Amino acid sequence: KNEVEQSPQNLTAQEGEFITINCSYSVGISALHWLQQHPGGGIVSLFMLSSGKKKHGRLIATINIQEKHSSLHITASHPRDSAVYICAAQYGGATNKLIFGTGTLLAVQP
Amino acid sequence: EPEVTQTPSHQVTQMGQEVILRCVPISNHLYFYWYRQILGQKVEFLVSFYNNEISEKSEIFDDQFSVERPDGSNFTLKIRSTKLEDSAMYFCASKAIWSGLGGEQYFGPGTRLTVT
Repeated sequence: KNEVEQSPQNLTAQEGEFITINCSYSVGISALHWLQQHPGGGIVSLFMLSSGKKKHGRLIATINIQEKHSSLHITASHPRDSAVYICAAQYGGATNKLIFGTGTLLAVQP
Repeated sequence: EPEVTQTPSHQVTQMGQEVILRCVPISNHLYFYWYRQILGQKVEFLVSFYNNEISEKSEIFDDQFSVERPDGSNFTLKIRSTKLEDSAMYFCASKAIWSGLGGEQYFGPGTRLTVT
């Protein structure tokens, strides 16, 4: 069964801290997505990666295909980073549908 | 920047009623998806649509659900006879290209469906 596990489920950090959110998936995938969901509910795609590392501003995403593991890092965290961060595994086949993790609720306190 | 739009943002309906959720994908995209998120739970895949037909559907997508691309721009999700457990946020997504990586999916803002 295709499953995606995230940890931690909840994370509270002080402004400026370095944050890591972890994601593991159970079987081979074609890509791994990191998404952000704000309290209003909207989903924004942050990264799609299949190998190595990607960086966008203070966000860094890495993936280790052999270990079936990905991490999302936030450097110099800020209260505006507070949101739910979700990893989603993209499987191959006809549709490239996404299988979502449960999300990590991040609260960055000033 | 092009974006996926969804209407309405919030729909309240009575159990047993039919609802149609509407999405306008990004104009040059070819692959379309519906996902749903029950409050407090993770996002779940419902259905994917390509070349005017369903390419994959989940166990959730039973005979009460249908999708349509009626006019080349809109992409709709219809629930024929809503149940209380259909209350959720419904997200539409679209994707431009097919490749080994599959391309990035762009999500709409969601429609919150409340069934009373």
